Amino acid sequence: QKEVEQDPGPLSVPEGAIVSLNCTYSNSAFQYFMWYRQYSRKGPELLMYTYSSGNKEDGRFTAQVDKSSKYISLFIRDSQPSDSATYLCAMSAVGTNAGKSTFGDGTTLTVKP
Amino acid sequence: NAGVTQTPKFRVLKTGQSMTLLCAQDMNHEYMYWYRQDPGMGLRLIHYSVGEGTTAKGEVPDGYNVSRLKKQNFLLGLESAAPSQTSVYFCASSYRRSGNGYTFGSGTRLTVV
Repeated sequence: QKEVEQDPGPLSVPEGAIVSLNCTYSNSAFQYFMWYRQYSRKGPELLMYTYSSGNKEDGRFTAQVDKSSKYISLFIRDSQPSDSATYLCAMSAVGTNAGKSTFGDGTTLTVKP
Repeated sequence: NAGVTQTPKFRVLKTGQSMTLLCAQDMNHEYMYWYRQDPGMGLRLIHYSVGEGTTAKGEVPDGYNVSRLKKQNFLLGLESAAPSQTSVYFCASSYRRSGNGYTFGSGTRLTVV
């Protein structure tokens, strides 16, 4: 079983919808949680990162971490066609050797105009 | 633009040929990583480096070698290419702390025929 499981998708929503992207994990040592966005044929880019539990908001994006359930989410409000991409969750533990992250396999999102 | 630069962007190799992928970063990051990304398998760590002159194996190191002679450069070598090494290769870098996330390059698409 993988340490990080991500909802596989694909996900297709109309423009303006609220999108929820989710990951679960099994390693209780994970303390840092990241979300990356990857456009087709491009490298992943870091969207948001959070430490431990709680919420973090950045514009239309909200990252939520529930460590008790080992569950993280990324919410996108008022989704736009430009949000169409693959979203990757990633996690790492404090003091992890070389800061290595464990990635989910990604969820592909399409926002239709 | 500052960031991570990968060369080449595309390459076709014949089985048994060798090649070197170059990664350069200008952010003074201590850590550098090489990943491969394949459909349905997510990002898999090949090798990584915690500083100039150091390298270590990741999850899928067989068939690859790396070198980090300068802090800003991380080279990935394929000694004898095999069709199983057809993939998209991403280089990433980060500061010497967990949880800050990575900066990725734009990738190298390698096909081995």
